[in-house]
Amino acid sequence: AQSVSQHNHHVILSEAASLELGCNYSYGGTVNLFWYVQYPGQHLQLLLKYFSGDPLVKGIKGFEAEFIKSKFSFNLRKPSVQWSDTAEYFCAGGSYQLTFGKGTKLSVIP
Amino acid sequence: IAGITQAPTSQILAAGRRMTLRCTQDMRHNAMYWYRQDLGLGLRLIHYSNTAGTTGKGEVPDGYSVSRANTDDFPLTLASAVPSQTSVYFCASSELAANNEQFFGPGTRLTVL
Repeated sequence: AQSVSQHNHHVILSEAASLELGCNYSYGGTVNLFWYVQYPGQHLQLLLKYFSGDPLVKGIKGFEAEFIKSKFSFNLRKPSVQWSDTAEYFCAGGSYQLTFGKGTKLSVIP
Repeated sequence: IAGITQAPTSQILAAGRRMTLRCTQDMRHNAMYWYRQDLGLGLRLIHYSNTAGTTGKGEVPDGYSVSRANTDDFPLTLASAVPSQTSVYFCASSELAANNEQFFGPGTRLTVL
C-alpha cells in the first residue's frame, strides 16, 4: 500500500529562519507529489506540485520542494519564513489515489 | 467565484441520527472526494467518485455512503451517526483522476454527541 510520511509533527521557528519540512513516500508507479498548506481555520490550498521534469519545484509564497528519487523524498523548503507562514503543511502523493501525510504544524514566532 | 461549497458549515448531531453533508462544485471537474480530518491523523479518504455515476471506497468508508447523480454534487450521508464520526469533513474535486491537483471546499465541522 502506498504511504506518505512527514518527519515532524510540530516545528517552531523565529521569523527569517530557514525552513525544511521532510516528506517521504513509499509507492511505485507514476510519482505525483504535492504540498498543501492549511492556514488556521481555512481549507487546504496547493503550494506546489511535482509530476515530472525538473526535480526542483517552485511554488507560491517563496516555497520550493526538491524531488529526490533515490531517497523517495520531497522536502519542502523556504529560505526565510514569515509570521504569516504559520499553518499546517501536508505532503501528499500517489500513483492513483492521493495519500496525505499526517501534517506538520509550523509556528513562526515574530 | 468558481470553487467548492459545502453545507452546513458546522453541525451538532445526536448519535443515531441521519445526516447528509452537501458538496457542490462549479468547475465541471470529473472527480470528487470526501475526506475527514482528525488531529494527528491528517486527511483520510472516505469515498471518491472519478466521474458522475460512479463511486468508490477510500481508506475509511464504514458508516458513510455517497452518491454522484451529476457532475456538480457529491453528498456524503451518515446513516446513523456515532461519536467517532466527530470530525472536520472536507470535500475536494480534481479535473481528472486523483493524481491531479485537488481543490478543497471550506469544510464542515461535525460533532456527534
